[in-house]
Amino acid sequence: KAGVTQTPRYLIKTRGQQVTLSCSPISGHRSVSWYQQTPGQGLQFLFEYFSETQRNKGNFPGRFSGRQFSNSRSEMNVSTLELGDSALYLCASSSHGTANNEKLFFGSGTQLSVL
Amino acid sequence: KQEVTQIPAALSVPEGENLVLNCSFTDSAIYNLQWFRQDPGKGLTSLLLIQSSQREQTSGRLNASLDKSSGRSTLYIAASQPGDSATYLCAPDGSEKLVFGKGTKLTVNP
Repeated sequence: KAGVTQTPRYLIKTRGQQVTLSCSPISGHRSVSWYQQTPGQGLQFLFEYFSETQRNKGNFPGRFSGRQFSNSRSEMNVSTLELGDSALYLCASSSHGTANNEKLFFGSGTQLSVL
Repeated sequence: KQEVTQIPAALSVPEGENLVLNCSFTDSAIYNLQWFRQDPGKGLTSLLLIQSSQREQTSGRLNASLDKSSGRSTLYIAASQPGDSATYLCAPDGSEKLVFGKGTKLTVNP
């Protein structure tokens, strides 16, 4: 069974640009969550999608958005990039979500550098 | 607001030692708690999930306990090996979804 796939692996952008990251969950998983990891703040929850609907949202500005498609693949978009958006962005999937006592399966992440 | 603290921040031990990693959290209204390991530049791997009604979970050389009322969890690693070197993170799952600690960076020396 293939794991969670995130593309691209590395990305370099300049301030003011926008970026789209992609996540393909494990086959059959309908819940996809996104996390931002930085050395200073650690791992922070961005949002969770389940069956194409945003189910939960973390405390991030509206520049961060996401969506989920009917095949459960998810994308997140960051508009008007700032230097502080440089981070490892991780996506994780599970069948129905962690509140159902399910383990999360993470992808290897997209390392975003904003210059 | 859930706050998660992991102590120690870093730990270096010789191979073969038994060790304990600590995790404390402020909001006991959780569904479960997961322990993860993260290798440098990689994603996270879920090691153990303890449901709120459980006291402990075991997987091989790993044993995790949960005391929800006191807001504490421990991860016990028996007979540590160099391959156990990684950062270990705990994450209680509640109304704010998973809230991660900063992790304990473990180095096991051969």
